[in-house]
Amino acid sequence: GAGVSQSPSNKVTEKGKDVELRCDPISGHTALYWYRQSLGQGLEFLIYFQGNSAPDKSGLPSDRFSAERTGGSVSTLTIQRTQQEDSAVYLCASSSNTDNYYGYTFGSGTRLTVV
Amino acid sequence: QKEVEQNSGPLSVPEGAIASLNCTYSDRVSQSFFWYRQYSGKSPELIMSIYSNGDKEDGRFTAQLNKASQYVSLLIRDSQPSDSATYLCAVKGGGNKLTFGTGTQLKVEL
Repeated sequence: GAGVSQSPSNKVTEKGKDVELRCDPISGHTALYWYRQSLGQGLEFLIYFQGNSAPDKSGLPSDRFSAERTGGSVSTLTIQRTQQEDSAVYLCASSSNTDNYYGYTFGSGTRLTVV
Repeated sequence: QKEVEQNSGPLSVPEGAIASLNCTYSDRVSQSFFWYRQYSGKSPELIMSIYSNGDKEDGRFTAQLNKASQYVSLLIRDSQPSDSATYLCAVKGGGNKLTFGTGTQLKVEL
Protein backbone atom coordinates (compact mmCIF):
# COMPACT_ATOMS: atom_id res chain seq x y z
CA GLY A 1 0.00 0.00 0.00
CA ALA A 2 0.86 3.65 -0.15
CA GLY A 3 1.45 3.94 3.59
CA VAL A 4 1.52 1.93 6.78
CA SER A 5 -2.02 0.85 7.59
CA GLN A 6 -3.18 0.06 11.12
CA SER A 7 -6.49 -1.26 12.34
CA PRO A 8 -8.60 -0.64 14.23
CA SER A 9 -7.99 3.08 14.65
CA ASN A 10 -9.72 3.00 18.03
CA LYS A 11 -10.39 0.14 20.39
CA VAL A 12 -12.19 0.24 23.73
CA THR A 13 -12.00 -2.97 25.71
CA GLU A 14 -12.86 -4.17 29.16
CA LYS A 15 -10.12 -4.96 31.62
CA GLY A 16 -9.13 -8.61 31.37
CA LYS A 17 -10.09 -9.05 27.72
CA ASP A 18 -7.64 -9.88 24.95
CA VAL A 19 -7.08 -7.51 22.02
CA GLU A 20 -5.42 -7.83 18.62
CA LEU A 21 -3.95 -4.88 16.76
CA ARG A 22 -3.06 -5.16 13.10
CA CYS A 23 -0.35 -3.51 11.02
CA ASP A 24 0.07 -3.68 7.26
CA PRO A 25 3.47 -2.17 6.32
CA ILE A 26 4.45 -0.39 3.16
CA SER A 27 4.82 -2.93 0.38
CA GLY A 28 8.40 -4.12 0.10
CA HIS A 29 9.47 -2.83 3.50
CA THR A 30 11.36 -5.60 5.24
CA ALA A 31 11.59 -4.08 8.71
CA LEU A 32 8.55 -3.59 10.96
CA TYR A 33 8.44 -2.01 14.39
CA TRP A 34 5.85 -1.62 17.13
CA TYR A 35 5.96 1.28 19.57
CA ARG A 36 3.49 2.62 22.05
CA GLN A 37 2.91 6.16 23.22
CA SER A 38 1.13 6.90 26.46
CA LEU A 39 -0.55 10.27 27.01
CA GLY A 40 2.11 12.97 27.13
CA GLN A 41 4.93 10.46 26.91
CA GLY A 42 7.56 9.58 24.36
CA LEU A 43 7.57 6.55 22.13
CA GLU A 44 8.36 3.28 23.85
CA PHE A 45 9.88 0.51 21.70
CA LEU A 46 8.06 -2.82 21.90
CA ILE A 47 9.25 -5.23 19.19
CA TYR A 48 11.09 -5.29 15.86
CA PHE A 49 10.85 -7.72 12.93
CA GLN A 50 13.39 -7.97 10.13
CA GLY A 51 12.75 -10.44 7.34
CA ASN A 52 12.96 -14.03 8.54
CA SER A 53 15.21 -13.24 11.48
CA ALA A 54 14.11 -13.81 15.05
CA PRO A 55 12.30 -10.70 16.27
CA ASP A 56 13.83 -8.34 18.82
CA LYS A 57 11.31 -8.61 21.66
CA SER A 58 13.38 -6.69 24.18
CA GLY A 59 10.81 -3.93 24.62
CA LEU A 60 7.74 -6.04 25.39
CA PRO A 61 6.67 -4.96 28.89
CA SER A 62 5.29 -8.31 30.04
CA ASP A 63 4.43 -11.81 28.85
CA ARG A 64 0.89 -10.61 28.19
CA PHE A 65 2.25 -8.95 25.07
CA SER A 66 3.13 -10.91 21.94
CA ALA A 67 3.44 -10.20 18.25
CA GLU A 68 3.82 -12.11 15.06
CA ARG A 69 4.50 -11.26 11.46
CA THR A 70 3.10 -13.56 8.82
CA GLY A 71 4.72 -13.97 5.42
CA GLY A 72 7.08 -11.11 6.09
CA SER A 73 4.25 -8.61 5.74
CA VAL A 74 1.25 -8.11 8.04
CA SER A 75 1.90 -8.05 11.78
CA THR A 76 -0.45 -8.58 14.70
CA LEU A 77 0.23 -7.35 18.22
CA THR A 78 -1.75 -9.25 20.84
CA ILE A 79 -2.32 -8.10 24.39
CA GLN A 80 -3.82 -10.70 26.69
CA ARG A 81 -5.74 -9.93 29.87
CA THR A 82 -5.60 -6.21 29.25
CA GLN A 83 -4.94 -3.84 32.15
CA GLN A 84 -5.72 -0.15 32.46
CA GLU A 85 -2.04 0.71 32.19
CA ASP A 86 -2.08 -0.79 28.69
CA SER A 87 -4.14 2.20 27.52
CA ALA A 88 -2.03 4.03 24.95
CA VAL A 89 -1.62 4.67 21.25
CA TYR A 90 0.08 1.71 19.59
CA LEU A 91 2.12 2.77 16.59
CA CYS A 92 3.49 0.55 13.88
CA ALA A 93 6.30 1.64 11.57
CA SER A 94 8.12 0.11 8.65
CA SER A 95 11.42 0.73 6.92
CA SER A 96 12.84 -0.33 3.59
CA ASN A 97 16.31 -0.90 4.86
CA THR A 98 17.90 -1.85 8.11
CA ASP A 99 20.87 0.32 7.29
CA ASN A 100 21.35 2.75 10.12
CA TYR A 101 20.71 5.67 7.84
CA TYR A 102 17.02 5.04 7.26
CA GLY A 103 14.24 6.41 9.39
CA TYR A 104 10.81 4.88 9.76
CA THR A 105 7.39 5.61 8.31
CA PHE A 106 4.68 5.40 10.94
CA GLY A 107 1.08 4.34 10.58
CA SER A 108 -1.73 6.39 12.07
CA GLY A 109 -1.85 4.22 15.18
CA THR A 110 -4.43 2.35 17.22
CA ARG A 111 -5.75 4.16 20.27
CA LEU A 112 -6.43 1.50 22.91
CA THR A 113 -8.56 2.34 25.92
CA VAL A 114 -8.98 -0.25 28.66
CA VAL A 115 -11.95 0.43 30.93
CA GLN B 1 19.97 9.23 32.79
CA LYS B 2 17.58 9.02 29.86
CA GLU B 3 19.11 7.81 26.62
CA VAL B 4 17.69 10.73 24.62
CA GLU B 5 16.84 13.96 26.40
CA GLN B 6 14.81 16.92 25.23
CA ASN B 7 13.36 19.93 26.99
CA SER B 8 9.62 19.34 27.07
CA GLY B 9 8.78 23.01 26.54
CA PRO B 10 6.58 24.57 25.49
CA LEU B 11 8.93 26.66 23.41
CA SER B 12 7.11 29.76 22.21
CA VAL B 13 8.43 31.82 19.30
CA PRO B 14 6.82 34.60 17.30
CA GLU B 15 5.89 34.03 13.69
CA GLY B 16 8.87 34.59 11.42
CA ALA B 17 11.48 33.91 14.11
CA ILE B 18 13.98 31.06 14.31
CA ALA B 19 12.98 28.16 16.53
CA SER B 20 15.86 26.17 18.05
CA LEU B 21 15.19 22.67 19.37
CA ASN B 22 17.84 20.71 21.20
CA CYS B 23 18.53 17.10 22.04
CA THR B 24 21.29 15.23 23.85
CA TYR B 25 21.97 11.51 23.78
CA SER B 26 23.95 9.18 26.00
CA ASP B 27 25.11 6.36 23.71
CA ARG B 28 28.41 7.36 22.11
CA VAL B 29 28.12 4.69 19.41
CA SER B 30 24.93 6.23 18.03
CA GLN B 31 25.27 6.56 14.29
CA SER B 32 22.23 8.33 12.92
CA PHE B 33 19.85 10.94 14.17
CA PHE B 34 16.35 11.91 13.17
CA TRP B 35 13.82 14.62 13.84
CA TYR B 36 10.12 13.79 13.71
CA ARG B 37 7.23 16.24 13.88
CA GLN B 38 4.05 15.13 15.62
CA TYR B 39 0.85 17.13 15.46
CA SER B 40 -1.63 16.62 18.28
CA GLY B 41 -3.53 13.37 17.78
CA LYS B 42 -1.42 12.36 14.79
CA SER B 43 1.47 9.98 14.27
CA PRO B 44 5.12 11.13 13.98
CA GLU B 45 6.33 12.32 10.59
CA LEU B 46 10.01 12.22 9.61
CA ILE B 47 11.30 15.67 8.69
CA MET B 48 15.11 15.49 8.92
CA SER B 49 17.91 13.00 9.27
CA ILE B 50 21.62 13.59 9.89
CA TYR B 51 24.60 11.27 10.16
CA SER B 52 27.75 13.39 9.97
CA ASN B 53 29.02 16.18 12.16
CA GLY B 54 27.99 19.62 10.98
CA ASP B 55 24.88 21.10 9.46
CA LYS B 56 22.34 19.70 7.04
CA GLU B 57 19.81 22.02 5.48
CA ASP B 58 16.45 21.22 3.88
CA GLY B 59 14.27 24.20 3.09
CA ARG B 60 13.49 26.06 6.31
CA PHE B 61 14.93 23.24 8.43
CA THR B 62 18.57 22.81 9.49
CA ALA B 63 19.77 19.87 11.54
CA GLN B 64 23.05 20.22 13.43
CA LEU B 65 25.10 17.36 14.86
CA ASN B 66 28.05 17.41 17.25
CA LYS B 67 29.06 13.85 18.09
CA ALA B 68 31.83 14.91 20.46
CA SER B 69 29.28 16.75 22.59
CA GLN B 70 26.56 14.14 21.91
CA TYR B 71 24.26 16.91 20.84
CA VAL B 72 21.85 17.32 17.96
CA SER B 73 19.62 20.28 17.21
CA LEU B 74 16.95 21.40 14.78
CA LEU B 75 16.58 24.98 13.61
CA ILE B 76 13.37 26.14 11.95
CA ARG B 77 13.72 29.43 10.11
CA ASP B 78 10.82 31.78 9.39
CA SER B 79 8.61 29.84 11.82
CA GLN B 80 4.96 29.57 10.83
CA PRO B 81 1.89 28.77 12.94
CA SER B 82 1.68 25.50 11.01
CA ASP B 83 5.02 24.52 12.57
CA SER B 84 3.32 24.34 15.98
CA ALA B 85 3.71 20.70 16.99
CA THR B 86 5.80 18.41 19.16
CA TYR B 87 9.24 17.66 17.77
CA LEU B 88 10.73 14.29 18.61
CA CYS B 89 14.45 13.59 18.50
CA ALA B 90 15.34 9.98 17.68
CA VAL B 91 18.68 8.20 17.76
CA LYS B 92 19.70 4.95 16.12
CA GLY B 93 22.67 2.95 17.36
CA GLY B 94 23.80 -0.46 16.22
CA GLY B 95 20.56 -2.24 16.97
CA ASN B 96 18.40 -0.90 14.14
CA LYS B 97 15.78 0.48 16.47
CA LEU B 98 15.16 4.14 17.13
CA THR B 99 15.22 5.50 20.66
CA PHE B 100 13.03 8.56 21.02
CA GLY B 101 13.13 11.53 23.32
CA THR B 102 9.90 12.67 24.93
CA GLY B 103 9.65 15.62 22.56
CA THR B 104 9.63 19.41 22.69
CA GLN B 105 6.36 21.21 22.17
CA LEU B 106 6.75 24.21 19.85
CA LYS B 107 4.22 27.02 19.71
CA VAL B 108 4.51 29.63 16.98
CA GLU B 109 2.52 32.70 17.93
CA LEU B 110 0.96 35.19 15.53
